[in-house]
Amino acid sequence: KNEVEQSPQNLTAQEGEFITINCSYSVGISALHWLQQHPGGGIVSLFMLSSGKKKHGRLIATINIQEKHSSLHITASHPRDSAVYICAVIRGEYGNKLVFGAGTILRVKS
Amino acid sequence: EPEVTQTPSHQVTQMGQEVILRCVPISNHLYFYWYRQILGQKVEFLVSFYNNEISEKSEIFDDQFSVERPDGSNFTLKIRSTKLEDSAMYFCASIPLYGSRSYEQYFGPGTRLTVT
Repeated sequence: KNEVEQSPQNLTAQEGEFITINCSYSVGISALHWLQQHPGGGIVSLFMLSSGKKKHGRLIATINIQEKHSSLHITASHPRDSAVYICAVIRGEYGNKLVFGAGTILRVKS
Repeated sequence: EPEVTQTPSHQVTQMGQEVILRCVPISNHLYFYWYRQILGQKVEFLVSFYNNEISEKSEIFDDQFSVERPDGSNFTLKIRSTKLEDSAMYFCASIPLYGSRSYEQYFGPGTRLTVT
């Protein structure tokens, strides 16, 4: 069983729609990352959070440690948001290595 | 804004050849990682490196792989005898300091390795 599960695997939205991507994990973590990967392959960190909620522009990330669940929301989606969104967790304290989910492929149509 | 850089961006090599992938982490960062992503698959941890030694490595990181920090700025991943299945995108990442808290990881743009 994968330690980090994301849903949906693929998501197509119309420009302006509110988008939610979900991440569930089965292990104890010290923090969770939301990452963005563009078609060229580069990875950019969007958020790192260990509790509560963070907001940056149109992006909002929440985490519920008790339920082992996190969500990434995109408000007023735009075609430039089209990318792969990846959830990754840091297991425990040692080493801070990331364990990745499979990613959600988001396509926003104009 | 400081960034992690990687060279080359794309490397094509023949099976059995040695390759060295290079990374320059952010200058005040002390803890480094290599990850890889086979096309169509999720990103996987390879190895972490701190204080000039391997801190942790995955099952993927066998004797064909090695890492070093030869000159205090570069961080390299060497594959001694490449196999077809080594074809992947390789990402370097770094964090400021290893410790009891979690740090946001900064990723390089990746090196696409193609083994023919």
